[in-house]
Parts: sequence; C-alpha cells; structure tokens
Amino acid sequence: SQKIEQNSEALNIQEGKTATLTCNYTNYSPAYLQWYRQDPGRGPVFLLLIRENEKEKRKERLKVTFDTTLKQSLFHITASQPADSATYLCALLSNTGNQFYFGTGTSLTVIP
Amino acid sequence: DAGVTQSPTHLIKTRGQQVTLRCSPKSGHDTVSWYQQALGQGPQFIFQYYEEEERQRGNFPDRFSGHQFPNYSSELNVNALLLGDSALYLCASSGRTSGWPPNTGELFFGEGSRLTVL
Repeated sequence: SQKIEQNSEALNIQEGKTATLTCNYTNYSPAYLQWYRQDPGRGPVFLLLIRENEKEKRKERLKVTFDTTLKQSLFHITASQPADSATYLCALLSNTGNQFYFGTGTSLTVIP
Repeated sequence: DAGVTQSPTHLIKTRGQQVTLRCSPKSGHDTVSWYQQALGQGPQFIFQYYEEEERQRGNFPDRFSGHQFPNYSSELNVNALLLGDSALYLCASSGRTSGWPPNTGELFFGEGSRLTVL
C-alpha cells in the first residue's frame, strides 16, 4: 500500500500570492498522481493528473510537479483568489491500477 | 449530462442496524468505486465494481458489501452498524481502458451520503 502525507497544517495566504501544497508518498511510485479539490460537505472534484514520465503539468492558474526521485508532488495555485479556499487532496493510483490512495488533504484559506 | 448521483444524501441509523446506499455513475462510465471519508480525513477505498464483480477491496470488514447492476449502478450495504461507521460515503465512477493503467484517469465523485450512527 501507500502512505501519503500532505501539509499537516492549514495554509493561510494573502490574495494574489502563490499557494504551494505538498504531497509526499513513501512506497512505490504510481503510474500517475492526481489532485482534487473538496469543498465542505461536497464530493472531491478532479483538478489535474500527472503521469510518472511527466515532470510538470499546467492548467490555467494551477501547476503540478511530480518528482519520482523525491517521491513528492507539489501543487501550486498562482494569483490565488478567495474562491480558491477549499481542501486539496492528492491521490495516487495503486500498483494494481484499481484503487486510489488519498492523502488527508490540506485546507487552504485565501485571505482577501 | 448527469454526473454521479447518490442517495440518500443524509441518514441516521442506530448501532446494529443495516444501511443501503445507492449510486448511479456518470453516463458512459462502467466502473464504480466506493470510498469512506471520516471527518478531517481523506477518502478511504472500500471496493471497486466492474462488470458486476468486485474487482478490488480495501481494508474493510465483511460487514461492508456491495453490488453492481447491469446498468452499472451500484449499492453499498453495511451491516451491524458501529458508531465508527459514521462518515461521508462517496461513490466515484470512471471509465476503463484495455491498456495500463486500467482506469482512464480522473474519478468523478458524487456528493456523498452522510451516515450518522447513534
């Protein structure tokens, strides 16, 4: 299985700054890694997927990096907005390809 | 295009009772996975269904069982409820490929069923 660690504490940043969230895993490197956004009481919503042979992926103000040597992914939100406030989850595909392991999530608050 | 729908949205049960949760996957998806999310935690994988069979199971006791129907919808059953079963139960659907990995990528989640066990 996998052990996944995300920023243990909530992250508060000023509007307009870049938020950087960390996802570290301990065992095998997965075929791909995903990031999801979850608002209170709602189901997670997919944001980005990055494959093991990709180092970086971008989508609008979002950027994800994947370092299989460090066993780490970084998730960046540039020009952050209060609407970006949510919990962000990283998820790793199992080596069987049938299940995802999720981290506990990082709560992000963007202060106006 | 309807996304993943789950029912009921909220329910309260007492210890020892049984519960059934239902899920309809996104149109075009044939794979359904169930996750349990306790407060302040990430989703934990319960099991996955594909072609009406349980393809993989997470670390959950046999009290948790499921079913997938020919129309790809799914049910999660939990017997002999414990206080610790209180959680948000999430259904996620995905498509499958013939290559590797077998899942095409993103999971589409429903809004979940909030179960409270008293």
